[in-house]
Amino acid sequence: DSGVTQTPKHLITATGQRVTLRCSPRSGDLSVYWYQQSLDQGLQFLIQYYNGEERAKGNILERFSAQQFPDLHSELNLSSLELGDSALYFCASSAGGAPPYEQYFGPGTRLTVT
Amino acid sequence: QKEVEQDPGPLSVPEGAIVSLNCTYSNSAFQYFMWYRQYSRKGPELLMYTYSSGNKEDGRFTAQVDKSSKYISLFIRDSQPSDSATYLCAMSPPPGSYQLTFGKGTKLSVIP
Repeated sequence: DSGVTQTPKHLITATGQRVTLRCSPRSGDLSVYWYQQSLDQGLQFLIQYYNGEERAKGNILERFSAQQFPDLHSELNLSSLELGDSALYFCASSAGGAPPYEQYFGPGTRLTVT
Repeated sequence: QKEVEQDPGPLSVPEGAIVSLNCTYSNSAFQYFMWYRQYSRKGPELLMYTYSSGNKEDGRFTAQVDKSSKYISLFIRDSQPSDSATYLCAMSPPPGSYQLTFGKGTKLSVIP
């Protein structure tokens, strides 16, 4: 158990809908990262937050947004969902601020868009 | 050229074999090197990380980094069926950027 929690575990929704994925980092970790994993693309970095502020952006679509709250939990919002958004979404956390910046991953949310 | 190249496999070995997993990279700014293990439908689990060139051992696992060749390896001794998983290498740039760059992973099967 990495100490990172994600809810829900599974999500099935229809095209055009909007969903919110939630992540709680390990105790004491200030950085939260979101990743998308699909069979053909591997693990794709979406976005990072550090202590409430956006730190880095990766291959995140404009239809997706995220935020980190004062209690350090984070939410990833996916809107106008398309079939191609079906994937595993992982949250990871790290202490941040000092190397080696190793990240600890949550169990993931499996999103199915029908 | 991709920043990190990793052979996707699949790699199938008999129980007890020594397994060698490898990644090459192109960005000389990478300083920290990590290996993650991911079981099917689970989150990646951090196995090991190394900083400089050389070897680091942890039980049956040895991580090796050759910065001059931009090549990293993970060796698994006395492989077990429970080692069957996808192994991902990851690399961290210099301080100031927390973003990891991942390889696509190598799928390993250890046959009893």
